Amino acid sequence: DVKVTQSSRYLVKRTGEKVFLECVQDMDHENMFWYRQDPGLGLRLIYFSYDVKMKEKGDIPEGYSVSREKKERFSLILESASTNQTSMYLCASSPGQGDQPQHFGDGTRLSIL
Amino acid sequence: DQQVKQNSPSLSVQEGRISILNCDYTNSMFDYFLWYKKYPAEGPTFLISISSIKDKNEDGRFTVFLNKSAKHLSLHIVPSQPGDSAVYFCAASHGYKLSFGAGTTVTVRA
Repeated sequence: DVKVTQSSRYLVKRTGEKVFLECVQDMDHENMFWYRQDPGLGLRLIYFSYDVKMKEKGDIPEGYSVSREKKERFSLILESASTNQTSMYLCASSPGQGDQPQHFGDGTRLSIL
Repeated sequence: DQQVKQNSPSLSVQEGRISILNCDYTNSMFDYFLWYKKYPAEGPTFLISISSIKDKNEDGRFTVFLNKSAKHLSLHIVPSQPGDSAVYFCAASHGYKLSFGAGTTVTVRA
């Protein structure tokens, strides 16, 4: 069974801090994704990666960066956290494109004070 | 601008009856459509998908219908069970990317 693990379930940080969210998958999937989920907006794609050291911007990349040094690990970085980045963050992985379903972690609830 | 829209934020249905969830999209380049289910404090889990070249796909109690000309899809759950109470997200795929709707919260009443 695919396992996507996000390092923290809940995180509280202060404005201006640099924040790291970590995600690890154990199924050797090529693709990994970071989303944020907000009420009334569904899931919005921040960044994705289709290979080690490769990254592509999603729909809302501003204020974020990512790192993929190893195939199984995909990190989301908030360079200087702001209150409008308070949200639920979801990591996902998938083996391919199209109808290959993405498998999600349980999310990190991030609060920026 | 959201390319995938779920216009009903919530749906309440009696146990044993049919649940019908609707989804509209604007991008004709989408090639697959997927439904995900999400319980509180858990990540979304894949439920069922359909290719843009099909008009129906069935898996047990779940059936997805696609009307390409109307850019509309629907998910039918029959019969609805208490464990179906969750948030359902419609998603559309183009290449690597998935675009999600805002979700519909389904409550199944006993």
